[in-house]
Amino acid sequence: DQQVKQNSPSLSVQEGRISILNCDYTNSMFDYFLWYKKYPAEGPTFLISISSIKDKNEDGRFTVFLNKSAKHLSLHIVPSQPGDSAVYFCAASVVKGTTSGTYKYIFGTGTRLKVLA
Amino acid sequence: EAQVTQNPRYLITVTGKKLTVTCSQNMNHEYMSWYRQDPGLGLRQIYYSMNVEVTDKGDVPEGYKVSRKEKRNFPLILESPSPNQTSLYFCASSYTHSRAYEQYFGPGTRLTVT
Repeated sequence: DQQVKQNSPSLSVQEGRISILNCDYTNSMFDYFLWYKKYPAEGPTFLISISSIKDKNEDGRFTVFLNKSAKHLSLHIVPSQPGDSAVYFCAASVVKGTTSGTYKYIFGTGTRLKVLA
Repeated sequence: EAQVTQNPRYLITVTGKKLTVTCSQNMNHEYMSWYRQDPGLGLRQIYYSMNVEVTDKGDVPEGYKVSRKEKRNFPLILESPSPNQTSLYFCASSYTHSRAYEQYFGPGTRLTVT
């Protein structure tokens, strides 16, 4: 059961325009959501995160929006640049158990973004 | 330089031959984890460790073992590899005081089991 879903495998956007990457989730116990970018032959790198008690977080060209009622988050990149071309993963953290304090991460399947020059 | 290192980067092995993929971080992170990346399935967490001697299963732990005897190292052990463990593996580390904090990922280990 895929608890974090990225339904668009790929997305193409013109340079300078807005890129919107979407992510849906099913587990209401997720407490943080994170976005990672991955270039070929490299490990993922962190972009931005948001707490489940917030609805927006912004960092430079990157903004993440969280709609808890819809269990949906999105990453906006404005303006898009050719160097943004990569695979983007959304991820969520969830605490395991009530007393252990341990937590794990669930990742989506990724969306390949291509920014056209 | 802050980094997570994995070795080897590429490995081809045969079914049943025990192997270990090493992971080391130099950032004094408490949290370390292993992921595998497969086409159409994204990244799936195999095991994670909150600190030394504290490990727990992720979503796909079957066929894998881990240990955390030192804070900086978190090796992944495949006691009897099978072809369905052919995958791209990533080790990651982070601080535990906030789950919003980024995980630092290693460069990946591409494993092929024939």
